Amino acid sequence: QSVVTQPPSASGTPGQRVIISCSGSTSNVGSNTVNWYHQLPGTAPKLLIYDNNQRPSGVPDRFSGSKSGTSASLAISGLQSEDEGDYYCASWDDSLNGHVVFGGGTKLTVL
Amino acid sequence: QVQLQESGPRLVRPSGTLSLTCAISGDSINTANWWSWVRQTPGKGLEWIGEIYDSGATHYNPSLRSRVTISLDKSRTQFSLNLTSVTAADTAVYYCARRLVIIWDYGFDVWGQGTTVSV
Repeated sequence: QSVVTQPPSASGTPGQRVIISCSGSTSNVGSNTVNWYHQLPGTAPKLLIYDNNQRPSGVPDRFSGSKSGTSASLAISGLQSEDEGDYYCASWDDSLNGHVVFGGGTKLTVL
Repeated sequence: QVQLQESGPRLVRPSGTLSLTCAISGDSINTANWWSWVRQTPGKGLEWIGEIYDSGATHYNPSLRSRVTISLDKSRTQFSLNLTSVTAADTAVYYCARRLVIIWDYGFDVWGQGTTVSV
């Protein structure tokens, strides 16, 4: 069981806006940046959002991130079929000599 | 363009040691990045294993710390993972990845394709 919590699933129809939450604690999300990854089946994860709300080059502006306190969220607007897959948040955790923690992941289905 | 490639045995006996190497091309361990290992058990989420910096400094997942060693190759073009006393629970896809840290954690921006290891 991860110390960073995400809903196990989310869904939406094409064109809709979907929000995925990421809840942590003061030792991780509350005091460090949150990064988001998208993973398609059988492939390596891809960095989607870094530093809470920054998009790497090539990531559409339909994807946006935010953070407040010990929670973060990923918003996907104008949902498309290719947005299906698993989404993970991650953050550095200052406890126990420091380590990276991943959320449990959210499986997004485009209906 | 930075690329990472995992290599190593695909099958490890229970109680044995899992050893993997990640070859780096287009970059070197001399840059300001942390070089990490992440795994994903079948049908499950991502689990960070640990990482190493060019100075040799390491961070490990607290739950795996007693069994994990990550090391640098002297060529600075590859790094390795050793996981001892493996059990079936260590069966997973193992990824190597580059973690960018510029004061703050900017995430894993480059990933290997992953290699499946069965125990």
